[in-house]
Amino acid sequence: GAGVSQSPRYKVAKRGQDVALRCDPISGHVSLFWYQQALGQGPEFLTYFQNEAQLDKSGLPSDRFFAERPEGSVSTLKIQRTQQEDSAVYLCASSITGVSQPQHFGDGTRLSIL
Amino acid sequence: AQRVTQPEKLLSVFKGAPVELKCNYSYSGSPELFWYVQYSRQRLQLLLRHISRESIKGFTADLNKGETSFHLKKPFAQEEDSAMYYCALAGAGSYQLTFGKGTKLSVIP
Repeated sequence: GAGVSQSPRYKVAKRGQDVALRCDPISGHVSLFWYQQALGQGPEFLTYFQNEAQLDKSGLPSDRFFAERPEGSVSTLKIQRTQQEDSAVYLCASSITGVSQPQHFGDGTRLSIL
Repeated sequence: AQRVTQPEKLLSVFKGAPVELKCNYSYSGSPELFWYVQYSRQRLQLLLRHISRESIKGFTADLNKGETSFHLKKPFAQEEDSAMYYCALAGAGSYQLTFGKGTKLSVIP
């Protein structure tokens, strides 16, 4: 595709509900990243995939957050039992390889927890 | 731990005036530094990286290891430069980007 595609663009959920956010990276990009961007802050790293392998999940804020990339392409970030503090923009980025390569970002999913 | 500091939340300059967006970092090693930009209603995109030593849209940035800074400069600001600018750091051989909080540049016509 032309760029990284994320869906939905906006998601509103009630506290306690589960949500799933999708990322479709640039075709052929090995590396995929998820970031969380709270209002007025810069993006913060959540997790990193190299193909289907999740090599780093050190940024996930709690065990309610889970990410997968089963076939090494599309990735899903799932948040269980959402809390108000989960409200943020969730950004996905991909790069040709992980190291020393520019990351290409999607438009993000704006998640609001009521 | 690595950290990126952008001391200015908002910077307003007149069209044609010089621009300097400040970025300081903390990292014990040789980092890679980047500037990302987000124009209104657009996605975050790479503006430049220090290893390329390029000038993009008239912007330049020099890595100063002594002062641990990577300030973004442009001699003459244009209205289309109005955007949110983020400085980011990756540790040597690392994939993980650490971002600053961003500076909103507003160019006054």
